[in-house]
Amino acid sequence: GNSVTQMEGPVTLSEEAFLTINCTYTATGYPSLFWYVQYPGEGLQLLLKATKADDKGSNKGFEATYRKETTSFHLEKGSVQVSDSAVYFCALVGRDDKIIFGKGTRLHILP
Amino acid sequence: ETGVTQSPTHLIKTRGQQVTLRCSSQSGHNTVSWYQQALGQGPQFIFQYYREEENGRGNFPPRFSGLQFPNYSSELNVNALELDDSALYLCASSLFVTAAQNEQFFGPGTRLTVL
Repeated sequence: GNSVTQMEGPVTLSEEAFLTINCTYTATGYPSLFWYVQYPGEGLQLLLKATKADDKGSNKGFEATYRKETTSFHLEKGSVQVSDSAVYFCALVGRDDKIIFGKGTRLHILP
Repeated sequence: ETGVTQSPTHLIKTRGQQVTLRCSSQSGHNTVSWYQQALGQGPQFIFQYYREEENGRGNFPPRFSGLQFPNYSSELNVNALELDDSALYLCASSLFVTAAQNEQFFGPGTRLTVL
C-alpha cells in the first residue's frame, strides 16, 4: 500500500540556518504530494504541494521538488526563523484518493 | 470568513462509553473529513462526508460513525470506546471532494482521553 516516510525529529537549528526535512514515499502511479505544517495549538495548514513529477511547490520561503526517480519530496528553506518552529507533515494522495500522512517532524528554531 | 471549529477541545471518557465530537466547516465548504492523530503519529483518515453522505472510509471499525448535516457541519461518533481510541481527532473541510485537488482546512482538534 501507499506510505510516507519522513525523517524523525526533533530537528533543532539556529535562526538563519538552512533546513532540509527528508520525505520519501511509496505509491503506485503518480501521487500528489503535500507538506502540511502544524503550529502549536493550531490545526494543520497546507504549506505547499506538487501534483506531477519535477513540479516544485513553494510557499513562505519553503520549497519541495517532486522527484519521481528517487520517490522523494524533501522540504527545504534557505534561512529559518524562530516562527518556523512547528511540526511538519509530508503527505501523499494516491489513486485511491485517500491522503496518507507521515509521522511528522518537529522543528525547533533557536534565536 | 470563519475557519473550521471543533468542540469540545478536550474530553475524558472511560472504556466502553460512547462519545460525539462536533465540527463546523469553513463557510462554503461541502466536504468534511475526519482524522485520528495518535501521539507522535501523523493523522490517519477515518472517513469523509460529501453532501450528507459517506464518501470514503479508512481502516476504522464500524463503531466509528459520522453524520453531516444540511449546513455541512459534522459529527464523529465512537461507540464502545477502547483505550487505543485516545488521540487527537481532527476535522477538515474542503471545497472539492477529490483529495488530490483540494486544500483541506483543518480545525484545531479534540483531544480525547479514554481511561
